[in-house]
Amino acid sequence: DTEVTQTPKHLVMGMTNKKSLKCEQHMGHRAMYWYKQKAKKPPELMFVYSYEKLSINESVPSRFSPECPNSSLLNLHLHALQPEDSALYLCASSQVSPPSTGGEGYTFGSGTRLTVV
Amino acid sequence: QKEVEQDPGPLSVPEGAIVSLNCTYSNSAFQYFMWYRQYSRKGPELLMYTYSSGNKEDGRFTAQVDKSSKYISLFIRDSQPSDSATYLCAMSKGLGGTSYGKLTFGQGTILTVHP
Repeated sequence: DTEVTQTPKHLVMGMTNKKSLKCEQHMGHRAMYWYKQKAKKPPELMFVYSYEKLSINESVPSRFSPECPNSSLLNLHLHALQPEDSALYLCASSQVSPPSTGGEGYTFGSGTRLTVV
Repeated sequence: QKEVEQDPGPLSVPEGAIVSLNCTYSNSAFQYFMWYRQYSRKGPELLMYTYSSGNKEDGRFTAQVDKSSKYISLFIRDSQPSDSATYLCAMSKGLGGTSYGKLTFGQGTILTVHP
């Protein structure tokens, strides 16, 4: 299995709603990431988890709350979002140790397209 | 100045052409290099991944890394209309999980291959 699976694919939420994005991988990767991508821009890093512990928070507002329940799952909890938070939210995973034969690089999921109304 | 520079294009070529996509970078600490293809409204798909200077070939795709010149390229042979997408170069100073593993992306090049 060389996939990162994200659900839901699309999400529309109001500014007072609470919702969660989910991400799952079974490649044995011990680093997992959340990225945000606006139209015609490259992905921007939000959070990094290494061995299920938060290792990087790129000064993301507290209305975004990540969670890594186990080595295969990553969640992003959303609360009181703003319309400008509308974007494609991408989950990715990677190895954390040197690749023995090239490795798989960083694998991205298909993303959740979030619209905040 | 951005750490990674990539010509955003757009680039338009006829079917069957050889396409050359390039990125330059300023920080010699970058060690791992990737090329992603991204179709509209989809996540980036990893095409090539390398961590050494030289060439790496996979089917119609060849990735080239020149660390001395801080320059990476992706060549697409016999381009097809299905190759029409945005191509992103990305690189990191180390592996995942740490600040060294953080990916730095180019701006992306929009490619259109017309029949």
